[in-house]
Amino acid sequence: DAKTTQPPSMDCAEGRAANLPCNHSTISGNEYVYWYRQIHSQGPQYIIHGLKNNETNEMASLIITEDRKSSTLILPHATLRDTAVYYCIVRLVGGSNYKLTFGKGTLLTVNP
Amino acid sequence: NAGVMQNPRHLVRRRGQEARLRCSPMKGHSHVYWYRQLPEEGLKFMVYLQKENIIDESGMPKERFSAEFPKEGPSILRIQQVVRGDSAAYFCASSPPKEYPWGQYFGPGTRLTVT
Repeated sequence: DAKTTQPPSMDCAEGRAANLPCNHSTISGNEYVYWYRQIHSQGPQYIIHGLKNNETNEMASLIITEDRKSSTLILPHATLRDTAVYYCIVRLVGGSNYKLTFGKGTLLTVNP
Repeated sequence: NAGVMQNPRHLVRRRGQEARLRCSPMKGHSHVYWYRQLPEEGLKFMVYLQKENIIDESGMPKERFSAEFPKEGPSILRIQQVVRGDSAAYFCASSPPKEYPWGQYFGPGTRLTVT
């Protein structure tokens, strides 16, 4: 799986958009970008994933650059409950590739 | 629809005792994954199981650790003769038979403390 690089920490004001970047310059054509988050002491939570196109669900939006070498997770209106470590994971889907490889992620702190 | 359930949530064992961690996957999910998170470290894959089959245990320590997912009942992660270094949070995740596109869904974890 391609390696990802994320900033170790970010701050965001409550109610504002939180934009979390992720670099994955070695991503291959059939690798997906997944985002998970882990709120303190809880299990990781799936947020969103994408291949090429931008994706949106009830939790967040995922913007993938045209060359697919980087992506941004957007939480449109961050709340205090969004304070968590956010993990960007790149991997193939299907076949024998099922492990999620978690890096250090980005600690997002949402401030009142 | 209940999520992934793990019990106990907290487990304290003395060195040398056995620890049994249970995981009930989400309804309709037949694939189970175990991950371990050591203090101040990231999550590491341990084992992947389907009903009655271990698919990949490449992340399991070679000794003292075993996992099963029987035809009936929860998946069990068993740690024999626990040592202080086994103290960690153990997370179970599950997915449908065809994982894509939903990813893996995690339980709340079991926090094992070895005294």
